[in-house]
Amino acid sequence: DVKVTQSSRYLVKRTGEKVFLECVQDMDHENMFWYRQDPGLGLRLIYFSYDVKMKEKGDIPEGYSVSREKKERFSLILESASTNQTSMYLCASSFGVQETQYFGPGTRLLVL
Amino acid sequence: AQSVTQPDIHITVSEGASLELRCNYSYGATPYLFWYVQSPGQGLQLLLKYFSGDTLVQGIKGFEAEFKRSQSSFNLRKPSVHWSDAAEYFCAVGYNNNDMRFGAGTRLTVKP
Repeated sequence: DVKVTQSSRYLVKRTGEKVFLECVQDMDHENMFWYRQDPGLGLRLIYFSYDVKMKEKGDIPEGYSVSREKKERFSLILESASTNQTSMYLCASSFGVQETQYFGPGTRLLVL
Repeated sequence: AQSVTQPDIHITVSEGASLELRCNYSYGATPYLFWYVQSPGQGLQLLLKYFSGDTLVQGIKGFEAEFKRSQSSFNLRKPSVHWSDAAEYFCAVGYNNNDMRFGAGTRLTVKP
């Protein structure tokens, strides 16, 4: 079974803090994704990566950056957290960009 | 811009009743179509997918979906809903330009 894990289920941070969210997949998938989920808006793509050290901006990259130094690991970084970044963050991976995506359990981030 | 519409934000059905969740997408040649389910506090899990072939596809947990190209729709159905089906359901569409779009989701409540 594909397993996608996220470093934290819940996080509470203060405005201005640097925040790291980490995602690890164990299926040797080429593609990894970071989404933000907000009520009524569904999933919005922040960034995706199609290979090590490669990244593409999604629909809402502002205020975020990513890092993929190893194939199995994809990190989302909030350089200076703001209250409007309070949300659920979901990581996913897949073989192809249009293939089935496998999701982690999500990280619920609260920025105070 | 390519988009996916789930017209129903929230649906309530009685246990044992039939269910249909609607999904429409903007025009795209040969889309890849998915339905995912998200239980409370969890990531998304694939219910079923359509890439080609028979337009009626069967998925897990007794769900099925029908692709209708003329209507740009991919509606999800279940003949008899169980209380454990209460969750949020997301339709997703993969377009040929390596773009994957998710709908805003439909929250299903099941009445005893």
